[in-house]
Amino acid sequence: GENVGLHLPTLSVQEGDNSIINCAYSNSASDYFIWYKQESGKGPQFIIDIRSNMDKRQGQRVTVLLNKTVKHLSLQIAATQPGDSAVYFCAETNTGNQFYFGTGTSLTVIP
Amino acid sequence: DAGITQSPRHKVTETGTPVTLRCHQTENHRYMYWYRQDPGHGLRLIHYSYGVKDTDKGEVSDGYSVSRSKTEDFLLTLESATSSQTSVYFCAISSGGLTDTQYFGPGTRLTVL
Repeated sequence: GENVGLHLPTLSVQEGDNSIINCAYSNSASDYFIWYKQESGKGPQFIIDIRSNMDKRQGQRVTVLLNKTVKHLSLQIAATQPGDSAVYFCAETNTGNQFYFGTGTSLTVIP
Repeated sequence: DAGITQSPRHKVTETGTPVTLRCHQTENHRYMYWYRQDPGHGLRLIHYSYGVKDTDKGEVSDGYSVSRSKTEDFLLTLESATSSQTSVYFCAISSGGLTDTQYFGPGTRLTVL
């Protein structure tokens, strides 16, 4: 399968700080990427997506950055809150093929 | 969970027994998927469906079969469960194709003893 992984398996941040979660991918043909959030005992929840014709996309308190040169994706969460504690993982695909999912980073927000 | 339910939510069974997991959606989406999630692995696609009675294999389809007789229901069957099939199973749906955004159900935790 595709090599879609995360640099760090765990991340702890203070409440109110910004969080950055990273993801590397190996398929240079990948053209669509999604970040998911998964809370304990629940299914993955869509956060934000980005297509390869973009470098940056912003949502509510979240920003995704795509660096195609080094095949790197990041998720930035502004003013991290306790409710942001979860596992975050990226997914990537190239048109016509299935998604490949990373293994996830566990984010813990310290009050 | 985007109008997706899975049943049962938890199941413990013995090796060699048949098991069927059900995914039900109320979104009328054409595409439905079954994934398994295991420690150290990302979600891995088992089977997917692109319409009623239309299904195809994913990367880890061995030991699994699926059926879709109605738009809203997608069944995953383990004909003879093995301990290696102990996992958390997620159903997902999308309105477009394989590369359209997928929305996931709450999951089924299956333990095969």
